[in-house]
Amino acid sequence: EIVMTQSPATLSMSPGERATLSCRASQSVGSNLAWYQQKPGQAPRLLIYAASTRASGTPVRFSGSGSGTEFTLTISSLQSEDFAVYYCQHYENWLTFGQGTKVESK
Amino acid sequence: EVQLVQSGAEVKKPGESLKISCKGSGYSFTSYWIAWVRQVPGKGLECVGIIYPGDSETRYSPSFEGQVTISVDKSISTAYLEWSDLKASDSGLYYCARDLYGGNTPSAYWGQGTLVAVSS
Repeated sequence: EIVMTQSPATLSMSPGERATLSCRASQSVGSNLAWYQQKPGQAPRLLIYAASTRASGTPVRFSGSGSGTEFTLTISSLQSEDFAVYYCQHYENWLTFGQGTKVESK
Repeated sequence: EVQLVQSGAEVKKPGESLKISCKGSGYSFTSYWIAWVRQVPGKGLECVGIIYPGDSETRYSPSFEGQVTISVDKSISTAYLEWSDLKASDSGLYYCARDLYGGNTPSAYWGQGTLVAVSS
């Protein structure tokens, strides 16, 4: 079973700052990596798939990078609506999520 | 517009049975995998299992194998998640989700979630 580990658990940021979230897989998942955003009371929303492809409707300030076991989600300039929990997920041979990174307002 | 609409919240007692549903619309229901995902506070998101409505091929997470049953009724474009013997540990928020474009792809469309509470 592939284990996904996200860091940090919490990121305290101010609007306008650049946020960098990390996700590590216990073994290679190629580029079969997605990022989701979840706000309270809502279902997760797909932001990025194939490690770096923005899903329909994802703002350009969100970018993904990486392959194999190391991945990064970058939010270039945080907007108020970006404060949420972010999950990475591999879909290499199953669907496994990381434990999430909460981006909170400082 | 792709939509997944789930059945309402449930409150059950241990040992009872339960079947929750997820109705798809706005796309060819038989052509995309449906996943059931559980969310428990403090434990994040966990895939329970997946089903391909076209041929009912089903796969379960080892953590849920034997504990739940996933099925579909193609005639009404609906997927189901079922328990025959509920336990308190089955409590959680359950989402259904459709994959992006078939095969080995992430979950792009999500239902609104069904809250399952199991308590004596």
